[in-house]
Amino acid sequence: EVQLVESGGGLVQPGRSLRLSCTTSGFTFDDYAMHWVRQAPGKGLEWVSGISWNSDNIGYADSVKGRFTISRDNARNSLFLHMSTLRPEDTAFYYCAKDAHGDYSHFEYWGQGALVTVSS
Amino acid sequence: DIQLTQSPSFLSASVGDRVTITCRASQDISTYLAWYQQKPGKAPNLLIFAASTLQSGVPSRFSGSGSGTEFTLTISSLRPEDFATYYCQHLNSYPITFGQGTRLEIK
Repeated sequence: EVQLVESGGGLVQPGRSLRLSCTTSGFTFDDYAMHWVRQAPGKGLEWVSGISWNSDNIGYADSVKGRFTISRDNARNSLFLHMSTLRPEDTAFYYCAKDAHGDYSHFEYWGQGALVTVSS
Repeated sequence: DIQLTQSPSFLSASVGDRVTITCRASQDISTYLAWYQQKPGKAPNLLIFAASTLQSGVPSRFSGSGSGTEFTLTISSLRPEDFATYYCQHLNSYPITFGQGTRLEIK
């Protein structure tokens, strides 16, 4: 069974940093691209970032480019999102999602999300 | 960046109705489009990929069509569990984007 479990969310002050992790199981992690998608409370889905199976192809939404960094550790079956210079508008549930292929494609599986709240 | 516009944003319908949701892309994306269903408090669930391919385990009352810039998601006969929010997503290139969502509610 494919499982994606996000961790590292919480309350953080504006301007500070936070790192999210996504621990996975049930599939061959290093065969697939992975993504982060966020959803502000009561709002729609926003793709944040994606990374190919070998980290060669990485993309970011314009809203986070230069502030967020996606990475993966294939030996630990884990995905990360380092978020810096956080803003109140970054407040959202952050979902980790498994791609259907090694580079970007549709998102087959999703975690249950981690809430990040940016507030003083 | 490619923009996706869904219509309508809100839809009220009854059990048994046939409903169609449209997603328009700001440029040609071939068939690089997926549809997701999301229920309150839950993660999204993949319904359709490659514009018209039904994801394994998704009921056959869901169908997708289209290519280029115009796409549709159709539910042939609504069931109570189908009342949710639906999103389209393009996968043509980075950055990936989602439509703004269509909230389907019971009339």
